[in-house]
Amino acid sequence: GESVGLHLPTLSVQEGDNSIINCAYSNSASDYFIWYKQESGKGPQFIIDIRSNMDKRQGQRVTVLLNKTVKHLSLQIAATQPGDSAVYFCAAGGASGGSYIPTFGRGTSLIVHP
Amino acid sequence: NAGVTQTPKFRVLKTGQSMTLLCAQDMNHEYMYWYRQDPGMGLRLIHYSVGEGTTAKGEVPDGYNVSRLKKQNFLLGLESAAPSQTSVYFCASSWTSNQPQHFGDGTRLSIL
Repeated sequence: GESVGLHLPTLSVQEGDNSIINCAYSNSASDYFIWYKQESGKGPQFIIDIRSNMDKRQGQRVTVLLNKTVKHLSLQIAATQPGDSAVYFCAAGGASGGSYIPTFGRGTSLIVHP
Repeated sequence: NAGVTQTPKFRVLKTGQSMTLLCAQDMNHEYMYWYRQDPGMGLRLIHYSVGEGTTAKGEVPDGYNVSRLKKQNFLLGLESAAPSQTSVYFCASSWTSNQPQHFGDGTRLSIL
């Protein structure tokens, strides 16, 4: 199976700073990784994903980095805004044609101070 | 475009009562999932379905049953509710296991 963990349950930053949220996974066969954002009272919302044939992928103000050697991925948020305050989850799964359902980590709560 | 819709949004049950949570998606997704979310525990998979008429157990299936009679609907049943099942339940859907999941806004269930 797979276990997914985040290094910090809470991260506090100042508005305008860059934020880095980390995640570790255990199964070297995992080849699909996703980040979700969950605002209070809502369901998780997809932010960005990356497959194992890539090391880096960028979106709007977000970058995901994947290090398969140490089984670690991170989510970087540039110029963090108060609206970025939420809980962030990573998930790891397989893409090899089977029903390898992604496993979620426990989440990091990002608090952005104005 | 509704996406994933969960009903009800809130419910309070007494121990031993039964109920069904309904999830509906309008994106023609093959995969559907039920999770529970407890404080500090993240999302834990209860059951999932890879297509109409199929179901499979997830990480925490005990005390729950599911059915996927129609592609767009995935039902989660509690036959005899227990206080340990007090939680927020989320439904999600996706094209395949390696595509992003779309989540509903959850059902908050309290069992007294």
